[in-house]
Amino acid sequence: EIVLTQSPATLSLSPGERATLSCRASQSVSAYLAWYQQKPGQAPRLLIYDASNRATDIPARFSGSGSGTDFTLTISSLEPEDFVVYYCQQRSNWPWTFGQGTKVEIK
Amino acid sequence: QVRLVESGGGVVRPGRSLRLPCAASGFAFSSYAMHWVRQAPGKGLEWVALISYEGSDKYYADSVKGRFTISRDNSKNTLYLQMNSLRAEDTAVYYCARGGDHRYFDYWGQGTLVTVSS
Repeated sequence: EIVLTQSPATLSLSPGERATLSCRASQSVSAYLAWYQQKPGQAPRLLIYDASNRATDIPARFSGSGSGTDFTLTISSLEPEDFVVYYCQQRSNWPWTFGQGTKVEIK
Repeated sequence: QVRLVESGGGVVRPGRSLRLPCAASGFAFSSYAMHWVRQAPGKGLEWVALISYEGSDKYYADSVKGRFTISRDNSKNTLYLQMNSLRAEDTAVYYCARGGDHRYFDYWGQGTLVTVSS
């Protein structure tokens, strides 16, 4: 099973700042990695697929990069609604797995 | 618009069974693979099972293999998860999700809570 390790567990920033979230895989997943956003009490929402492609209707301030084992989700300028939890997920190998999540909180 | 609605959750005793339906609308259900993903209270996400668009291929997480069965009825636009021999560690919100054009989870239901407790 591929283990995805997200860091940091919690990121404390202010609105308008840049957020950089990391996801590291225990073995290569090529570019088969996605990022999801989850707001409290809601289902996750797909943000980024295949490491760097924005999903439908996702604002341009969200971007993804990386390949192999190291991936990054960047939020260029944090909006108030961005202070929630983010998960990475791989579909390279069965079973598909998620990272443990990064919470972005208001500093 | 795409809509996925889970139901069937509730409180169940350990060792018992439960079936979760997920009603789909707003898209060509029979053309998409479908998944179940769960989230224990206060915890992260765990992929549970996948079924191919026509139902012939199924994959399971090791944690549920042999106890859970995913199925679908394309004539009713409905996905199912049959859960047998339930354990306390199966307590979670269960989401159905569509496997989109790029195979990721592109649409999700609102989830249904399953609590396994004596």
